[in-house]
Amino acid sequence: DVKVTQSSRYLVKRTGEKVFLECVQDMDHENMFWYRQDPGLGLRLIYFSYDVKMKEKGDIPEGYSVSREKKERFSLILESASTNQTSMYLCASSPPWTDPPYEQYFGPGTRLTVT
Amino acid sequence: AQKVTQAQTEISVVEKEDVTLDCVYETRDTTYYLFWYKQPPSGELVFLIRRNSFDEQNEISGRYSWNFQKSTSSFNFTITASQVVDSAVYFCALSEAGGGSEKLVFGKGTKLTVNP
Repeated sequence: DVKVTQSSRYLVKRTGEKVFLECVQDMDHENMFWYRQDPGLGLRLIYFSYDVKMKEKGDIPEGYSVSREKKERFSLILESASTNQTSMYLCASSPPWTDPPYEQYFGPGTRLTVT
Repeated sequence: AQKVTQAQTEISVVEKEDVTLDCVYETRDTTYYLFWYKQPPSGELVFLIRRNSFDEQNEISGRYSWNFQKSTSSFNFTITASQVVDSAVYFCALSEAGGGSEKLVFGKGTKLTVNP
């Protein structure tokens, strides 16, 4: 079974803190994704990576950065957390692009609260 | 631009009722893929189905069935004889083919509650 794990299920941080959300997948997938999920807004793509050290902005990258130093690990970084970044963060992975595309496999999510 | 609309925010049914979750999409591409995912209370999205734009055959998997109609840009999902374990948030998503991109555009989700 594909396993995508996220470092924390719940996280509480203060405004201005630097926050790291970690995601690890064990299926040697090339693609990894970070989404945030908010009530009434669904899932929105923050960043994705299609290879080690490669990254592309998604739909809402402002206030976030990412790091992918190893294939299995994709980190989301909030340089200076703000209250409007309180959200559920979901990580996903998938094999490389093909036609048709593979489905994405999701982790359990990290519920981040910024106070 | 791509867009996925799930007009039903929340649906509540009684066990054994049939329920249909609506999904309407917008895309300029002729080749695209549609997905449904289930998010149970545990939080982890689970893949249910992928359908390409050239295959309009309906699909049935146990109590689940999907109706894809290009003429109305819809990809609706029906659960027959619903069960309490079907309670979850369901997301419809769209991916355009080619360009080396596997980005998904998600709808806002429909929360289904099945009461005993």
